[in-house]
Amino acid sequence: KAGVTQTPRYLIKTRGQQVTLSCSPISGHRSVSWYQQTPGQGLQFLFEYFSETQRNKGNFPGRFSGRQFSNSRSEMNVSTLELGDSALYLCASSLGGLTYEKLFFGSGTQLSVL
Amino acid sequence: KQEVTQIPAALSVPEGENLVLNCSFTDSAIYNLQWFRQDPGKGLTSLLLIQSSQREQTSGRLNASLDKSSGRSTLYIAASQPGDSATYLCAVRVAGGSYIPTFGRGTSLIVHP
Repeated sequence: KAGVTQTPRYLIKTRGQQVTLSCSPISGHRSVSWYQQTPGQGLQFLFEYFSETQRNKGNFPGRFSGRQFSNSRSEMNVSTLELGDSALYLCASSLGGLTYEKLFFGSGTQLSVL
Repeated sequence: KQEVTQIPAALSVPEGENLVLNCSFTDSAIYNLQWFRQDPGKGLTSLLLIQSSQREQTSGRLNASLDKSSGRSTLYIAASQPGDSATYLCAVRVAGGSYIPTFGRGTSLIVHP
């Protein structure tokens, strides 16, 4: 059974650009959540999608957005990139997005903003 | 607001030692706690998930315990190996239905031959 797949693995962008990251969950999983990991702040929750609807949102500016498609694949978009957006972006999937379920993570997308 | 602390931040041990990693949380009304390992620049690999009604979970050489009343969880690694070298993170979810997990900063473990 394939795990959570994130593409691309690495990205280099310049300030002011926008970027789109992709996440394909484990087959059958309907919940996808996104996280930002930096050395300074650790792992922080961005948002969670279930059945194409955003159900939970962390404390990030509106430049960070996402969506989920009918096949549960999800994309995350960051507009007007800032240097501080450089981070490892991780997505996780779970079966039904229920609190008692395990989270399964992808390998992440390493974003560097120059 | 839930805060999760992991001590020690870093640990270096010789191969074969038994290890204890700690995870403390401020709000004892948790729903569950999950332990992960992370290799450098990679994603998180789930190790163990303990529901609030459970006291411990075991998988191979790993054993995780949960004491909600004291706000602590420990991850015990038996007979450590160089392949165990990684950062270990814990994440808690608060009771009440909130999906959002709160992560600790992790313990960076090096097991040298």
